[in-house]
Amino acid sequence: NAGVTQTPKFQVLKTGQSMTLQCAQDMNHNSMYWYRQDPGMGLRLIYYSASEGTTDKGEVPNGYNVSRLNKREFSLRLESAAPSQTSVYFCASSTRTGNQPQHFGDGTRLSIL
Amino acid sequence: QQQVKQSPQSLIVQKGGISIINCAYENTAFDYFPWYQQFPGKGPALLIAIRPDVSEKKEGRFTISFNKSAKQFSLHIMDSQPGDSATYFCAARLFSGGYNKLIFGAGTRLAVHP
Repeated sequence: NAGVTQTPKFQVLKTGQSMTLQCAQDMNHNSMYWYRQDPGMGLRLIYYSASEGTTDKGEVPNGYNVSRLNKREFSLRLESAAPSQTSVYFCASSTRTGNQPQHFGDGTRLSIL
Repeated sequence: QQQVKQSPQSLIVQKGGISIINCAYENTAFDYFPWYQQFPGKGPALLIAIRPDVSEKKEGRFTISFNKSAKQFSLHIMDSQPGDSATYFCAARLFSGGYNKLIFGAGTRLAVHP
């Protein structure tokens, strides 16, 4: 009963490097989300996918791209990492957008030097 | 205004005491107000939620009080326990830009001392 699985759990990058964060859910949910969590700022939505085959920008999409590979998987890509993207990244899923609860993974802690 | 303002940033409570976390909002279009609980190294998890047509919701030791006219809502944790030590986020749901989205508060780090 895995729920939402994120890989990797930790990563250190140098400025300018690229990386893809992976997310998979086994709850047959239609909607998936990527958030970043920064101290004192709560969680901010980067991108979301309302259903398989669709993706849309959230509040803070600049510097990121996403792919909804299939119903289970939703990846987040940093093409050219910047120190401002140092954060904890969470993937979440729900039956539909807006439906509660959103089920979160345990996060990827990303540091960019 | 799509912000949800949460206070305090941190809170220390003795075991058995009452923990109170407050949130305020401006946008009357918000239609659902969940609270999420996050333990260190884990993702947030839904704790309790309320709709704006209800003034109070209680689940065990956790209660949400909602004041629609004041645009404020709060989480009360009765008989607080060390196991309640976590970060708590209030949130509000808004339909905007073609989808339902959650706006999160900044979070409150609660420490319950034995």
